[in-house]
Order: sequence, then structure tokens, then C-alpha cells
Amino acid sequence: KAGVTQTPRYLIKTRGQQVTLSCSPISGHRSVSWYQQTPGQGLQFLFEYFSETQRNKGNFPGRFSGRQFSNSRSEMNVSTLELGDSALYLCASSLGRGLTYEQYFGPGTRLTVT
Amino acid sequence: QQPVQSPQAVILREGEDAVINCSSSKALYSVHWYRQKHGEAPVFLMILLKGGEQKGHEKISASFNEKKQQSSLYLTASQLSYSGTYFCGTEFGNNDMRFGAGTRLTVKP
Repeated sequence: KAGVTQTPRYLIKTRGQQVTLSCSPISGHRSVSWYQQTPGQGLQFLFEYFSETQRNKGNFPGRFSGRQFSNSRSEMNVSTLELGDSALYLCASSLGRGLTYEQYFGPGTRLTVT
Repeated sequence: QQPVQSPQAVILREGEDAVINCSSSKALYSVHWYRQKHGEAPVFLMILLKGGEQKGHEKISASFNEKKQQSSLYLTASQLSYSGTYFCGTEFGNNDMRFGAGTRLTVKP
């Protein structure tokens, strides 16, 4: 079974621009979560999508948004990029929502904002 | 609210044991443990549900103390392959996963 895939793997953008990241979950997985990872901050929860609906959202500004399609693929969008948005963005998929489902992480998209 | 992990870093010799703690100020419903090697994605280790259940996987086990709102990860007879950053993820019953800042574990020969 193919794992979680994320595209692109690396991205360099300029302040003020916007960016869209893509995540394809494991086949059959319906929940997709997004995380921002920076040195010293660990994994910061961005949001979770399940059945095309955003179910949870972390403490990030409205510049961060996302969506999920009917095939469970998800996209994350960051508008008006700031230098502090430079990070590794990870998505994780799980079979469902709930306490017993482990998350499978993709390799991440490394975003650099200059 | 982000759980607090301790220690932040630990260095071991092969064969030594280590304990990593994960504490929360809010009531926990579940704790997830993941390991991330440098340049790779986090990999699932185990989930613990409230009830104090202890789980194990080879020489890595974990416990969940509901009263203390704390989980501990135990690595016994560490191997070189155990090196990496360990994250605990806590969930408060709303499917909102919050991860700790991580514990960097280095195992030396």
C-alpha cells in the first residue's frame, strides 16, 4: 500500500506570495491532519479534515487554510507569506477519527520564505 | 495546550535504558508516541488510552497515568537504531492532537 505523499517536497517563495501544498493520504484513509514543524517548536497542529469538512483548527492565523476533496486528498494554502512561515509542513492521514487511530505521516514539504 | 516533554535531550550508550516523560495540564483521553529520525517523517510507535494501560513493542514500552495526566516511554537496552526525536501527542477527547516539543535521543556505540 502506498504511503502518504506530499507535493512539492521543497519550495522557495518570497514574502507576500501565497503557496499551496498538496497531500494524498493512504488509500482508504479519510482523515487528514496538517502540522507545521520548526526547530524547537515540535509539531504544531494546523487543522484536521474528515469527509471534506474541517473538524479542528489549531492556533494559526486565517492566512492558513485548507480543504479536502471527495477522494480525501487535501490541500493547504498559505497566503501573504511571512518569513516566520518557513518550516516543514507535514500531513498525516488516519483511517478515521477517534482515539485508537494512529497517524501516518508524509515526508513533508519544506517551505522556505525569503 | 501543548504537552510538556522531559528531558529535552538524552545521550545513551548502547544497552542503557531511558525514560521519556510527557505531561499535560488537561485531562487526557489518549497519548500517542512517535519517533522521527533526522530528515524523515515521524513514525507511529504506540497509542495509550486512559486507564493506565501499559503497552509494549519489543524493548520499547509506555505507560499512561491518568491521575497524573502523564505518560512515560521506556526504552530498555537501547540500540543505535533508537536514535531520533521522540514526540508524544496528546488528545483531549475532541480528536485535536497536540504534540510536545520532542525529546532528542542519541545512542552511541
